[in-house]
Amino acid sequence: NAGVTQTPKFQVLKTGQSMTLQCAQDMNHEYMSWYRQDPGMGLRLIHYSVGAGITDQGEVPNGYNVSRSTTEDFPLRLLSAAPSQTSVYFCASSPGGFNTEAFFGQGTRLTVV
Amino acid sequence: QQQVKQSPQSLIVQKGGISIINCAYENTAFDYFPWYQQFPGKGPALLIAIRPDVSEKKEGRFTISFNKSAKQFSLHIMDSQPGDSATYFCAASMNQGAQKLVFGQGTRLTINP
Repeated sequence: NAGVTQTPKFQVLKTGQSMTLQCAQDMNHEYMSWYRQDPGMGLRLIHYSVGAGITDQGEVPNGYNVSRSTTEDFPLRLLSAAPSQTSVYFCASSPGGFNTEAFFGQGTRLTVV
Repeated sequence: QQQVKQSPQSLIVQKGGISIINCAYENTAFDYFPWYQQFPGKGPALLIAIRPDVSEKKEGRFTISFNKSAKQFSLHIMDSQPGDSATYFCAASMNQGAQKLVFGQGTRLTINP
């Protein structure tokens, strides 16, 4: 079982470059989310999706775009990378409903120079 | 603003001791309180979770204590083992289960052998 797969694992970008972080899940989960993890701040929600074609903003959405064309995939796009976006990014999926578990990928460590 | 506040930031416990991590929340609409465990280089994984209609939940050596009136909950790890050394995050969400989690800042736990 692959679970939630994120690519790439590591990335270095120059300020102003754009890129897409990939996330795929094979559990047929309705819900998918993107979080960023920064030291001393825990994980903060960037964007989330409750199903194919439906996305919404989380706590820290600025500078990021998402789309959900299939149940399996939920890519995160950085439009114009900034040093403040240096972070570890985690994708998560969950089946929805109460008392359900969020399954996280292994993360993408992004450095913007 | 941090809706879920976690303490301490770091904790060192001797093998066999009790590890206690505390969290406080502000939003009374939260109705799901999970704890996640994260090892270096990995994504967070669900450890244990509680709903506010119970005051305590125990799974093996891990116990959540919940105080609804004080808006606080805590994780107790009994007979702590070196393999428990990890970062622990408390979290909270409302209505949507694990879809939109609000995380605490995290606690780095070290169990000395």
